[in-house]
Amino acid sequence: KQEVTQIPAALSVPEGENLVLNCSFTDSAIYNLQWFRQDHGKGLTSLLLIQSSQREQTSGRLNASLDKSSGRSTLYIAASQPGDSATYLCAVPDSGNTPLVFGKGTRLSVIA
Amino acid sequence: DARVTQTPRHKVTEMGQEVTMRCQPILGHNTVFWYRQTMMQGLELLAYFRNRAPLDDSGMPKDRFSAEMPDATLATLKIQPSEPRDSAVYFCASGFADRVGGNQPQHFGDGTRLSIL
Repeated sequence: KQEVTQIPAALSVPEGENLVLNCSFTDSAIYNLQWFRQDHGKGLTSLLLIQSSQREQTSGRLNASLDKSSGRSTLYIAASQPGDSATYLCAVPDSGNTPLVFGKGTRLSVIA
Repeated sequence: DARVTQTPRHKVTEMGQEVTMRCQPILGHNTVFWYRQTMMQGLELLAYFRNRAPLDDSGMPKDRFSAEMPDATLATLKIQPSEPRDSAVYFCASGFADRVGGNQPQHFGDGTRLSIL
């Protein structure tokens, strides 16, 4: 059964710092990996989806990498801002558009 | 911007009452998921549908939960009778899967925050 782990569980950084969030998964036979952002009391917003054939995906200040063989993904946030404060979740389906297995998330606080 | 719409956003009721949550998936999406989020367990799958057919509902307590898709624009999740341990945020998500499974992102609604007293 696929398991997803995210480290650290919480992270607090001063504004302007670059930071890395980590995600690991136990079964490397994945079609893709998706990173989400969840603001407190809100739903999930999709940030990036990396296909299994890709090594990385970029959107603005966000860069996500994927190493399938080692079962790892990282989300890099450049020049962090207080508005980046949220919980970041990574998730993988077993195949195609099947249900996602989620990590518990990393709660990020960016201090002005 | 197309969105998944969930109603109600909040629901507070007493144990034993029936609860119905509704979801309107994004037009054109053929796969609909119900997830539940709690502090202890995080996000977990309850059930999902493809082309309105249920594919997996193993995450639901069958004696009290039921999920249906009366048509392509509406998915429902019912709890009867409700219990305090059902208190959680319930999310609906939709996506598109083609014949070979697809590789498209899932889009989530804002959730229904349920409190059973």
